[in-house]
Amino acid sequence: GQQVMQIPQYQHVQEGEDFTTYCNSSTTLSNIQWYKQRPGGHPVFLIQLVKSGEVKKQKRLTFQFGEAKKNSSLHITATQTTDVGTYFCAGHPSGGYQKVTFGIGTKLQVIP
Amino acid sequence: NAGVTQTPKFQVLKTGQSMTLQCAQDMNHNSMYWYRQDPGMGLRLIYYSASEGTTDKGEVPNGYNVSRLNKREFSLRLESAAPSQTSVYFCASSEANRHEAFFGQGTRLTVV
Repeated sequence: GQQVMQIPQYQHVQEGEDFTTYCNSSTTLSNIQWYKQRPGGHPVFLIQLVKSGEVKKQKRLTFQFGEAKKNSSLHITATQTTDVGTYFCAGHPSGGYQKVTFGIGTKLQVIP
Repeated sequence: NAGVTQTPKFQVLKTGQSMTLQCAQDMNHNSMYWYRQDPGMGLRLIYYSASEGTTDKGEVPNGYNVSRLNKREFSLRLESAAPSQTSVYFCASSEANRHEAFFGQGTRLTVV
């Protein structure tokens, strides 16, 4: 079955440093979504990428979808303490009704 | 606009007891999902319902049953709880497959 690998599992950064998390799928994806979960909270949708090579920005967050539609990244510039949480990617395989697979998440800790 | 509402928020069960987790959404979404979240495992799909009247197994369905009571409500039942079912359970809904998912606040279940 489809697998979505996400690295790193944990990341500690000083406030102001950059942060990147990566997702790699074993199969070609129809789209990929990114979610953020604050400590003790629930996952909240951030963005969806659909097109090969797509790049989207939300303020300090930059999302990329690979040319082969099998990998994606989330980059945060100049982290802030409000960025603390776990970031998940969620991959939807191509073709038919296929179930989404979530990565295990990257837990980001920002040190003030 | 409440979004996705789950009850209860916390529950402690003894091994062998049964219970039903309730989920309701007010966004008129067709698709609903039940996930469990365990440390280091990410979000794993238990069951989903693509539309009213249909349900299908996800990645980890053993020990669970579901009912899509109507378009709004999707319940998850544990017939005979086991300690391995200790987890945080999230209900989610989306307009359709491959669309962004909206999550409930979660149910933290402990089986002793």
